[in-house]
Amino acid sequence: EPEVTQTPSHQVTQMGQEVILRCVPISNHLYFYWYRQILGQKVEFLVSFYNNEISEKSEIFDDQFSVERPDGSNFTLKIRSTKLEDSAMYFCASSEEGGPSNIQYFGAGTRLSVL
Amino acid sequence: SQKIEQNSEALNIQEGKTATLTCNYTNYSPAYLQWYRQDPGRGPVFLLLIRENEKEKRKERLKVTFDTTLKQSLFHITASQPADSATYLCALAGTASKLTFGTGTRLQVTL
Repeated sequence: EPEVTQTPSHQVTQMGQEVILRCVPISNHLYFYWYRQILGQKVEFLVSFYNNEISEKSEIFDDQFSVERPDGSNFTLKIRSTKLEDSAMYFCASSEEGGPSNIQYFGAGTRLSVL
Repeated sequence: SQKIEQNSEALNIQEGKTATLTCNYTNYSPAYLQWYRQDPGRGPVFLLLIRENEKEKRKERLKVTFDTTLKQSLFHITASQPADSATYLCALAGTASKLTFGTGTRLQVTL
């Protein structure tokens, strides 16, 4: 069964460093998302991406964050200068269609630890 | 502001019984409501979707109800099994694609 894959599974970085989290969405999906989950808290929407553009972003997704689809298969989330409070699980998701009826398929996540 | 509430306390039930989980929301008019399962250290996995004009949806041992007047959804697992033990997330979608999740309810099914 097709799945969303994320690498690395765990990323440790020093505060102020840049990190890039990588995702390979399901191949025929056109809509891509990043969510994060701070330990013990709810899953929070960061950004959605379609047709090489950001469709929607949350207040969390500030100028320190950026997304890119550098080729036909990868979807990346970059955090320019990490802060302690960026420590969380980051989930990539993809869906075949957009809109509120879309079913999103999530990857296993990247655990980001900022020291 | 929008609020989605799920029972933060874990639900412990015996194998074979029906588990019922609740999702309440305020200041929101979702077009769709979805339920996901999340295992420790893993991403959410889609289970069921119900539209605002549907009262009930079923899939195998799962049943979801959606009451837009009460602003509540109930999620039922019948004949529960230890393998059903996980955290169950309620997620709302309005007109856009983003999902707004509740905090989840942890279900523990014991023998």
